[in-house]
Amino acid sequence: DIQMTQSPSSLSASVGDRVTITCQASQDISNYLNWYQQKPGKAPKLLIYDASNLETGVPSRFSGSGSGTDFTFTISSLQPEDIATYYCQQYDNLPRAFGQGTKLEIK
Amino acid sequence: QVQLQESGPGLVKPSQTLSLTCTVSGGSISSGGYYWSWIRQHPGKGLEWIGYIYYSGSTYYNPSLKSRVTISVDTSKNQFSLKLSSVTAADTAVYYCAREAPSGGDDYWGQGTLVTVSS
Repeated sequence: DIQMTQSPSSLSASVGDRVTITCQASQDISNYLNWYQQKPGKAPKLLIYDASNLETGVPSRFSGSGSGTDFTFTISSLQPEDIATYYCQQYDNLPRAFGQGTKLEIK
Repeated sequence: QVQLQESGPGLVKPSQTLSLTCTVSGGSISSGGYYWSWIRQHPGKGLEWIGYIYYSGSTYYNPSLKSRVTISVDTSKNQFSLKLSSVTAADTAVYYCAREAPSGGDDYWGQGTLVTVSS
């Protein structure tokens, strides 16, 4: 099974900051990577698919990059409503696998 | 607009079978092109993919749960279901149903339902 490792596990940043989260796959997954946002008590929301494609309706301050084993998720200018936990997920192989999550807080 | 809604008991006794149903509205499971997934989240923890089913009935289960999991589909009711047998307290979690799009992303999710395993 493919293992997904996210870092950091938690992050504190100020409004307006650029925020970056990384995700590493245990083997090459090409660009078959999603990013999700989960707010407390809510279901996850798909933000980015195929490593870098923004889901419809998602603000352009969110972006993703990478291929192979190393991926990056970026919020260009952190907004208060971005406080959430973010997960990467690979869909190159079965079973699907999520990273352990990155909890983002406002400083 | 596609909507998914989980339903089922919120409390299950140890050693019994957890049974949940996901009702899909705003789209037909039998139209094809999508996989219908179950994902769970232990309290305060991350996301665990359980498995999925295609409208044809083809399934794939996470090997970590495979011996206890059954996912089925009822296209006439536009529903799919999860059964998890021999549950223990470690199966206490919020269970989500979701639609996996051809892009591989889970683009629609149910609101989630908390299932507690306790006597």
